Amino acid sequence: QQQVKQSPQSLIVQKGGISIINCAYENTAFDYFPWYQQFPGKGPALLIAIRPDVSEKKEGRFTISFNKSAKQFSLHIMDSQPGDSATYFCAASRVTGGGNKLTFGTGTQLKVEL
Amino acid sequence: EPEVTQTPSHQVTQMGQEVILRCVPISNHLYFYWYRQILGQKVEFLVSFYNNEISEKSEIFDDQFSVERPDGSNFTLKIRSTKLEDSAMYFCASSPPGVGETQYFGPGTRLLVL
Repeated sequence: QQQVKQSPQSLIVQKGGISIINCAYENTAFDYFPWYQQFPGKGPALLIAIRPDVSEKKEGRFTISFNKSAKQFSLHIMDSQPGDSATYFCAASRVTGGGNKLTFGTGTQLKVEL
Repeated sequence: EPEVTQTPSHQVTQMGQEVILRCVPISNHLYFYWYRQILGQKVEFLVSFYNNEISEKSEIFDDQFSVERPDGSNFTLKIRSTKLEDSAMYFCASSPPGVGETQYFGPGTRLLVL
């Protein structure tokens, strides 16, 4: 029940296209859903996050769509650029007073081609 | 911009040896975490630390693991007797005061157990 399922495993998009990565969760107690971007040899970097009280959040070219009833959320990267080529992880957590254990998805390797 | 730092960046050790991985979280942060990532796999939660004690730990975090905040700036992960399967990238993360939902990750320590 703690799993977060992520798809696709890899994705190739042309420059200027839209990249879409999907995640699904099981634990209805999760109340925080971040997306992390990771470049080779680096730590994950927070990209954008959403709480379940909104259905969409947009920051620049990055948008999270959230469907609470379906227990799914997705990342859309508009106007994808070669510099967006990285591994993307969705995650979920239940925020408590003692911290915030993140459960990560399996990752999506995105390659944006010229 | 403040960031989480980790040392060493790489560590090679023999099976059965003790290793200590060090982290300097962002200075005003109150929540601290260790995660690991086996090569090519997802990031996995190990332990969270708040108010000078472990607030949550995963089943991976067995008696061979311990964490400590020896002073006001460092946060360490000790593996007492390393196993081959401990080979992974270890990430430290920290969160600011408040609900602590946003985690900032360090660059990681790559541990190789021979």
